[in-house]
Amino acid sequence: GQNIDQPTEMTATEGAIVQINCTYQTSGFNGLFWYQQHAGEAPTFLSYNVLDGLEEKGRFSSFLSRSKGYSYLLLKELQMKDSASYLCAPMDSNYQLIWGAGTKLIIKP
Amino acid sequence: GAVVSQHPSWVICKSGTSVKIECRSLDFQATTMFWYRQFPKQSLMLMATSNEGSKATYEQGVEKDKFLINHASLTLSTLTVTSAHPEDSSFYICSVSERGRTYEQYFGPGTRLTVT
Repeated sequence: GQNIDQPTEMTATEGAIVQINCTYQTSGFNGLFWYQQHAGEAPTFLSYNVLDGLEEKGRFSSFLSRSKGYSYLLLKELQMKDSASYLCAPMDSNYQLIWGAGTKLIIKP
Repeated sequence: GAVVSQHPSWVICKSGTSVKIECRSLDFQATTMFWYRQFPKQSLMLMATSNEGSKATYEQGVEKDKFLINHASLTLSTLTVTSAHPEDSSFYICSVSERGRTYEQYFGPGTRLTVT
């Protein structure tokens, strides 16, 4: 079957760095997306990895290891507005996104 | 990224009535549109995938006669919840894929439906 595993909730301090891990199992693989979702809002696109390695985009970076079925999202210089859920979504062989429940990130002053 | 709108952003209706939700791609031609449903604190659940000019493909367990999807043009898809019941109360979100870029999805702001 297809499966996503992320921590349910994480807490971090404003200005700090946090890494949100994701392991996945899918039928085929066509890349992995990270989305941010604030409470009561729709997801917004953060990153897409299809090859192994680190992709950096401002304060956010995303890493992928296809052989390990593993990805992480790294958030630096945390701001209060980063409090949200972060969704790891791999894409299977049918180009369908597989969604987990996401990781709720709480930022404290 | 693409700009996607949904209308209405929230709606309250009485049990037994039907509700139509519109999803518009404002700045590009969307060959594929997706409809999701999300219950509080749960993951996104794909309901159906629609391609312009053809019938939608529904996910297992989703009643196609209850959730009518029409993708009449490259910029508009509609979801009609027919004979709504309180258990249909949820957050409905559409997303679009740009022509030639089937892997990237851009989401609309969502529609919160409450059935009383």
